[in-house]
Amino acid sequence: KAGVTQTPRYLIKTRGQQVTLSCSPISGHRSVSWYQQTPGQGLQFLFEYFSETQRNKGNFPGRFSGRQFSNSRSEMNVSTLELGDSALYLCASSKEVGTEAFFGQGTRLTVV
Amino acid sequence: AQSVTQLDSQVPVFEEAPVELRCNYSSSVSVYLFWYVQYPNQGLQLLLKYLSGSTLVKGINGFEAEFNKSQTSFHLRKPSVHISDTAEYFCAVSDSSYKLIFGSGTRLLVRP
Repeated sequence: KAGVTQTPRYLIKTRGQQVTLSCSPISGHRSVSWYQQTPGQGLQFLFEYFSETQRNKGNFPGRFSGRQFSNSRSEMNVSTLELGDSALYLCASSKEVGTEAFFGQGTRLTVV
Repeated sequence: AQSVTQLDSQVPVFEEAPVELRCNYSSSVSVYLFWYVQYPNQGLQLLLKYLSGSTLVKGINGFEAEFNKSQTSFHLRKPSVHISDTAEYFCAVSDSSYKLIFGSGTRLLVRP
């Protein structure tokens, strides 16, 4: 059974640009969550989607957005990138909301 | 609001020695508790979880944790560590909203 797949693994962007990260959950999983990991702030919850609906949102500015498609794949978008957005972005999928979350290997975003 | 405190940022230990990684949480409601491990340049892997029932939870790779409601703790233990256990360990809590709130992490450094 394939795990959670995040693409791309590494990304370098310039300040002011926008970026889209992709997450393919485990087959049959309908819940997808996103987390940001930085050395200073640690692991912080961004948002969670279930059946194409955003159910939960963390304390991040509106530049951070996401969506989920009918096949449960999810994307997150960050607009007007800032240096502080440099981080490892982790996606996790669950069969149902509240069940065990399986994490992908993450996308490491570097903003220069 | 919920929070998780991991009291030790780094724990050095010799191979085959026992180890305990401490985790305390604060929450006014019933919680679910988790321990995750992260190897370099990888995502998070679930070690074990407490949802309800027995307070002693056994996980993968020989790890176990004990849920102590009165002390609001969920410490992780292993009776004998291996070099391969060197990694960062995260304690996390979630409530009915199911988003994970992570501690700051403990780096376990196993020395030969």
